[in-house]
Amino acid sequence: KQEVTQIPAALSVPEGENLVLNCSFTDSAIYNLQWFRQDPGKGLTSLLLIQSSQREQTSGRLNASLDKSSGRSTLYIAASQPGDSATYLCAVPGSSNTGKLIFGQGTTLQVKP
Amino acid sequence: ETGVTQSPTHLIKTRGQQVTLRCSSQSGHNTVSWYQQALGQGPQFIFQYYREEENGRGNFPPRFSGLQFPNYSSELNVNALELDDSALYLCASSPGSRSSYEQYFGPGTRLTVT
Repeated sequence: KQEVTQIPAALSVPEGENLVLNCSFTDSAIYNLQWFRQDPGKGLTSLLLIQSSQREQTSGRLNASLDKSSGRSTLYIAASQPGDSATYLCAVPGSSNTGKLIFGQGTTLQVKP
Repeated sequence: ETGVTQSPTHLIKTRGQQVTLRCSSQSGHNTVSWYQQALGQGPQFIFQYYREEENGRGNFPPRFSGLQFPNYSSELNVNALELDDSALYLCASSPGSRSSYEQYFGPGTRLTVT
């Protein structure tokens, strides 16, 4: 049974810091991994999708890496800004035939001015 | 291109009542998935609809049911509401049912059961 864990649960950093969010999964036979951002009480915004054949994806100040063999992904945020404050969730497919996603519990990030 | 929309935004119901939540998929998408997100938790998969048929279901009781229409919009129905059903309900659409497709989420419906 696939399980997804995110550490830490919460993180507070001063503005300008580079930071890393961690995501681990128990079954390495995944097709892809997706990182999402969620603002309080809002829906999910897709940040990056990494296919199983890729090792990393970049979008602006965000870089996500994927190491299937070790069951880990990291989301690197460069030069953090107060607007980056949100909860970050990672998710992997639960099966090949449906779009069922299995989510971690998220890391809540606060970037202080 | 219109994104995923959900209605209503907020809803308050009494225990034992029934509720219907609605989702319009993104243009060109034929697959809708529903998730329940309790406070402080990650979303939990309820079920997926692909071309008007249920295509996968999570660990939710039968009182959670759904429907997908020919235009690929979808409804989530919950009967006999319980206090624990209070949550943010999210729908996501994708261009196909397989896990290789990226999913796009709507803004969610906040359901409060009193």
